[in-house]
Amino acid sequence: DQQVKQNSPSLSVQEGRISILNCDYTNSMFDYFLWYKKYPAEGPTFLISISSIKDKNEDGRFTVFLNKSAKHLSLHIVPSQPGDSAVYFCAAARGGNKLVFGAGTILRVKS
Amino acid sequence: EAGVAQSPRYKIIEKRQSVAFWCNPISGHATLYWYQQILGQGPKLLIQFQNNGVVDDSQLPKDRFSAERLKGVDSTLKIQPAKLEDSAVYLCASSLDRGRVGTEAFFGQGTRLTVV
Repeated sequence: DQQVKQNSPSLSVQEGRISILNCDYTNSMFDYFLWYKKYPAEGPTFLISISSIKDKNEDGRFTVFLNKSAKHLSLHIVPSQPGDSAVYFCAAARGGNKLVFGAGTILRVKS
Repeated sequence: EAGVAQSPRYKIIEKRQSVAFWCNPISGHATLYWYQQILGQGPKLLIQFQNNGVVDDSQLPKDRFSAERLKGVDSTLKIQPAKLEDSAVYLCASSLDRGRVGTEAFFGQGTRLTVV
């Protein structure tokens, strides 16, 4: 039962352009959503999060948008940099309990 | 602040052998998680501890996997006997507080297990 889905296995973007990574979820009880970034041979690192009471959260070049009616969230990276090349995982939680992860999207930023 | 420490980084064993992984969470973090990440998939929660008590182990294959967190600090995850499908990266994570929305988990580098 995949409660969190990232339907794009990979994304390629030119340096300086916008990267948009998408995530869909099925469990309407999720109240907290996170994005993690993962480099090879390292553990995932926290990037940005959003509570279900908000529809947008911004941190520097990273913005997460939440559309509760569509059960959809997206991560925008503007401008994209080569160092952003990594695997991005979307995760969701309910009441601070276990994180449920998507399968990840590989982002390649070309210089 | 030191991060989540895991050892070993890599382990190769034959099927039916046993293996153990160790994790030391960030100091003061009450919640500790063990995740299994199979190649091409997202991390899947195996077990979650709050201090030294188990909060969720619904996805832990209890016939072969066991975990403990003595004294509410570091933790070990054991597999006995291992199967080929256990080949994965085992990630340990910790967070400051469970049950409070907005608490992110911090991950260690993981242990890559290969079962041959």
